[in-house]
Amino acid sequence: GDSVTQMEGPVTLSEEACLTINCTYTATGYPSLFWYVQYPGEGLQLLLKATKADDKGSNKGFEATYRKETTSFHLEKGSVQVSDSAVYFCALRPMGGGSNYKLTFGKGTLLTVNP
Amino acid sequence: EAQVTQNPRYLITVTGKKLTVTCSQNMNHEYMSWYRQDPGLGLRQIYYSMNVEVTDKGDVPEGYKVSRKEKRNFPLILESPSPNQTSLYFCASSLRTGYEQYFGPGTRLTVT
Repeated sequence: GDSVTQMEGPVTLSEEACLTINCTYTATGYPSLFWYVQYPGEGLQLLLKATKADDKGSNKGFEATYRKETTSFHLEKGSVQVSDSAVYFCALRPMGGGSNYKLTFGKGTLLTVNP
Repeated sequence: EAQVTQNPRYLITVTGKKLTVTCSQNMNHEYMSWYRQDPGLGLRQIYYSMNVEVTDKGDVPEGYKVSRKEKRNFPLILESPSPNQTSLYFCASSLRTGYEQYFGPGTRLTVT
């Protein structure tokens, strides 16, 4: 079945450091890929997405590129801020999707950014 | 404000005492879903609903029931809660299949 593997946390960085959170997936065909962010005490928010190979999703300074050849969707940011501290989830939706828009999530990566 | 609301936000209960977690959205979304979030496991889908009176099982439906009598509401029912249902629960909705999902703030349930 479909699965998402993302790097284990926690990740602790200093403000203005570079961030990479690795995400790889297993799925048939061309799934849609997502990064969600969960701030403390809140629900999940869509951060960015990509729906086909070589697409780059971007938002709030974060980027991720859909790499079919390596089945990856790594999240990157050039300069993190304290306000970026959150849990980040990589997720996929299978190609076609059928009648269920089910998202398959990775386990989440806790990011803490210190001033 | 467009949102998904859940109640209660926190609940502590005892084994076997029936409970309901409510979920409501004000965006006229057709699709709604329940997930549970557990440490080291990420989020897993419990049930989903394509529209009023249309519901189906997700990956971990055992011990849960749902209903969709109105478009805006999708309650999660635990008829006889057990400690292994202690978890953080999220409701989500989207306009229809294939559109962005919006998540509620979560309900932290503890079953003793």
